[in-house]
Amino acid sequence: EVQLVESGGDLVKPGGSLRLSCAAFGFAFNTYSMNWVRQVPGKGLEWVSSISTSSSYIYYADSVKGRFTISRDNAKNSLYLQMNSLRGEDTAVYYCVGQGETYIWGQGTLVTVSS
Amino acid sequence: DIQMTQSPSSLSASIGDRVTITCQADQDITKYLNWYQQKPGKAPKVLIYYASILETGVPSRFSGSGSGTDFTFTISSLQPEDIASYYCQQYESLPLTFGQGTRLEIK
Repeated sequence: EVQLVESGGDLVKPGGSLRLSCAAFGFAFNTYSMNWVRQVPGKGLEWVSSISTSSSYIYYADSVKGRFTISRDNAKNSLYLQMNSLRGEDTAVYYCVGQGETYIWGQGTLVTVSS
Repeated sequence: DIQMTQSPSSLSASIGDRVTITCQADQDITKYLNWYQQKPGKAPKVLIYYASILETGVPSRFSGSGSGTDFTFTISSLQPEDIASYYCQQYESLPLTFGQGTRLEIK
């Protein structure tokens, strides 16, 4: 079955760090560009970061640039998001999204930044 | 960044009604547009890609049209299971950008 499974979401204090992971199953992960997209519960969708198939090209939203780092390990069929200096406005469900012939979305993992 | 303007933000319709949602890009995105359905507590699900291609397994009552800057999403006959929020998303260039969403309710 084609799927993406995120993990790592948690409650963290402002200024803290968190690492999200996304495991890919059932498709050729190394042929898909990958993205992180977030959604504040009850609100719209916001793109966070993208990484190309070979990690040659990496992009960030201005809101997370300098604080978040996207990476991937094609040998492990996995995508990561290292989140540092977290703020309250980073509270959201984070989705891993594969971009290839079509788009594949994970189920999401909740990150809550609160003291 | 490409801005996507989606309307309406909410819509109330009866079972069997034809429902239409529009999405406008502020620059030419050719046909690089997805339409998503999202139910509460769930991830978005792709219904339409490349503006008009129905994703495998999606009922034929869903359709999409348009190119350039103006796009339309249609449900030909609304069913109870279609109650959800719907989003457009352009993928012509990064950053990926989304419409504000349309919340669809039963009248």
